[in-house]
Amino acid sequence: EPEVTQTPSHQVTQMGQEVILRCVPISNHLYFYWYRQILGQKVEFLVSFYNNEISEKSEIFDDQFSVERPDGSNFTLKIRSTKLEDSAMYFCASSVSGELFFGEGSRLTVL
Amino acid sequence: ELKVEQNPLFLSMQEGKNYTIYCNYSTTSDRLYWYRQDPGKSLESLFVLLSNGAVKQEGRLMASLDTKARLSTLHITAAVHDLSATYFCAVAVYGKLTFGQGTILTVHP
Repeated sequence: EPEVTQTPSHQVTQMGQEVILRCVPISNHLYFYWYRQILGQKVEFLVSFYNNEISEKSEIFDDQFSVERPDGSNFTLKIRSTKLEDSAMYFCASSVSGELFFGEGSRLTVL
Repeated sequence: ELKVEQNPLFLSMQEGKNYTIYCNYSTTSDRLYWYRQDPGKSLESLFVLLSNGAVKQEGRLMASLDTKARLSTLHITAAVHDLSATYFCAVAVYGKLTFGQGTILTVHP
C-alpha cells in the first residue's frame, strides 16, 4: 500500500541551526501539507502546497519556514534558524481527492 | 476562524463500559476525520465521514456525523485496554484540517 515517508525520524539540533525535514508523498498525489504537534498538544496546520506553490499557510509559518518540492518527488520543510519552541513532531501529509494520508512524522528536538 | 472542540479531554474508562467522545465544530466543512494516536507515534486514520447522517463502525468504535448540529461522535462499546490512546477529530475545509484538542482515553481493568 502506498504511503507517505518522512526522514529523519528524529533530529536533534542546536538552537540557531538550519534543519531540513524531508517527505516523499504518495506518487500520484497533488496536494501536500506540513503539520506540527508540540508534545502533549494538538496537531496544528503549518502550510499547504499545490502546483509548486504555497496555497495556504498559518501564522506559525513565518519567515523562518520554507517549503519546496525540488525534484518532483521530495517535499521539504526548512527551518532556517531553529528556536527552542520549534521542538515538535512534524507530520507531512498528501492527498489527491481530499482524504489526507499522513507520514510517520519527524521528531525535532532543539537544544 | 474554524474552531474544533472535543470533550471530554480526559477519559478514564473501565473495561467493558461504553462511552462517547464529542466533537463540535464552528463552520461548514467538507469532511470530518477521526484519528487515533499512540504515544510518540503518527496519526492512524480511523474514520472519514463525508455527509450528514454518516455512520461508520469498525470493531468497538462507531463514528457519526450530524452536519446540521456540527457535531460528530465517537462511540466506544465494551472498551478494552488496547483502545487506550489519544483520539483526535479533525475537520476539513478545502483540504486543510483543523484538529480538536484530543481526548486521552485510558481503559483500565
